[in-house]
Amino acid sequence: DIQMTQSPSFLSASVGDRVTINCKASQNINKYLNWYQQKLGEAPKLLIYNTNNLQTGIPSRFSGSGSGTDYTLTISSLQPEDVATYFCLQHSSRPNTFGAGTKLELK
Amino acid sequence: EVQLVESGGGLVQPGRSLKLSCVASGFTFSNYGMNWIRQAPGKGLEWVAYISSGSSYIYYAETVKGRFTISRDNAKNTLYLQMTSLRSEDTALYYCARRGITEGDYWGQGVMVTVSS
Repeated sequence: DIQMTQSPSFLSASVGDRVTINCKASQNINKYLNWYQQKLGEAPKLLIYNTNNLQTGIPSRFSGSGSGTDYTLTISSLQPEDVATYFCLQHSSRPNTFGAGTKLELK
Repeated sequence: EVQLVESGGGLVQPGRSLKLSCVASGFTFSNYGMNWIRQAPGKGLEWVAYISSGSSYIYYAETVKGRFTISRDNAKNTLYLQMTSLRSEDTALYYCARRGITEGDYWGQGVMVTVSS
């Protein structure tokens, strides 16, 4: 199975900050990497698919990049409504596997 | 609007069975593959099972293979997960998620399954 190592586990940032979250795969996942946002008590929401494709309706402050084994989610200017847990998913090969999550809070 | 609503969870004793349902609306259910994904308390997400749109392709995580069965009824817009021989480690919030433009493009809110005596 492909292991996904997500960092950091916890992040505290201020409104307007640029925030980056990383996922590292144990092998090349060929850009088959999605990012999700999950707010407390809500269903996970797809933000970015296949590394850098913004899901419909997601604000443009969210972006993704990466290749090979290393991938990054960037929030260009943190907003209060971005407080949530973020996680990555690789779907390059079954079983699909997830990062452990990053809990983002406001400083 | 795409909606996925899970049901059927609850408290069950080890070794017993439980069947989860996920009712889909807002899209043509029969055109999409579907997944079950779970999250144990305080743990990360774990993919459980996948079924293709016409049920031709089915995959399971090794941790549930032989105990869980994924199925669907396209006439009823419903996805199922039959869980047997339940163990304490199956305690989790179970989500259904659609495979659309990508894996997991839409998720339900989840249903809790607790396996305990």
